[in-house]
Amino acid sequence: EVQLVESGGGLVQPGGSLRLSCAASGFAFSNYWMSWVRQAPGKGLEWVANIKDDGRESFYVDSVKGRFTISRDNAKTSLYLQINSLRAEDTAVYYCAIIGGRSFQHWGQGTLVTVSS
Amino acid sequence: DIQLTQSPSFLSASVGDRVTITCRASQGISTYLAWYQQKPGKAPKLLIYAASTLQNGVPSRFSGSGSGTEFTLTISSLQPEDCATYYCQQLNSYPVTFGQGTRLEIK
Repeated sequence: EVQLVESGGGLVQPGGSLRLSCAASGFAFSNYWMSWVRQAPGKGLEWVANIKDDGRESFYVDSVKGRFTISRDNAKTSLYLQINSLRAEDTAVYYCAIIGGRSFQHWGQGTLVTVSS
Repeated sequence: DIQLTQSPSFLSASVGDRVTITCRASQGISTYLAWYQQKPGKAPKLLIYAASTLQNGVPSRFSGSGSGTEFTLTISSLQPEDCATYYCQQLNSYPVTFGQGTRLEIK
């Protein structure tokens, strides 16, 4: 069974940092591109970043470029999102997702990041 | 960036009704469009990919069509468990974008 379990969210002050993790199991992790998507409270879905299966290429939405870094460890079947210089508008549930068939095939349950003083 | 506009934003329908949601892209995206269902407090779930291919395990009452700039998601006979918000998504080019969502209520 495919499983994606996010962790690492929490309450952080503006300007702070967090590292989100996504533990993957039940599929050949190293063969798949992966993604982070976020959803602010009561709002729609916003794509954040993608990373290639071998980790050598990544893509970001403009609003997080230079502040967020997506990475992966295929040996540990884990995906990460390092988020720095946090702003109030980064408050959201962050989901990791498997990319396949030109779609986001499977999603984790999400982890909540709250940016507030 | 490619903008996706869903209509309507809110829809109220009865069990058994045929429901259609439209997603319009600001430029052509071939068939690089997916549809997701999200229930409150849950993660999104993939329904349709490549504009018209039904994801494994999704009931056959869901269908998708379209190419280029206009796409539709149809539920042929609405069921109570279909109460959710539906999003379209384009993966033709970066940045990946989503429509604003259509909230579907059961009367």
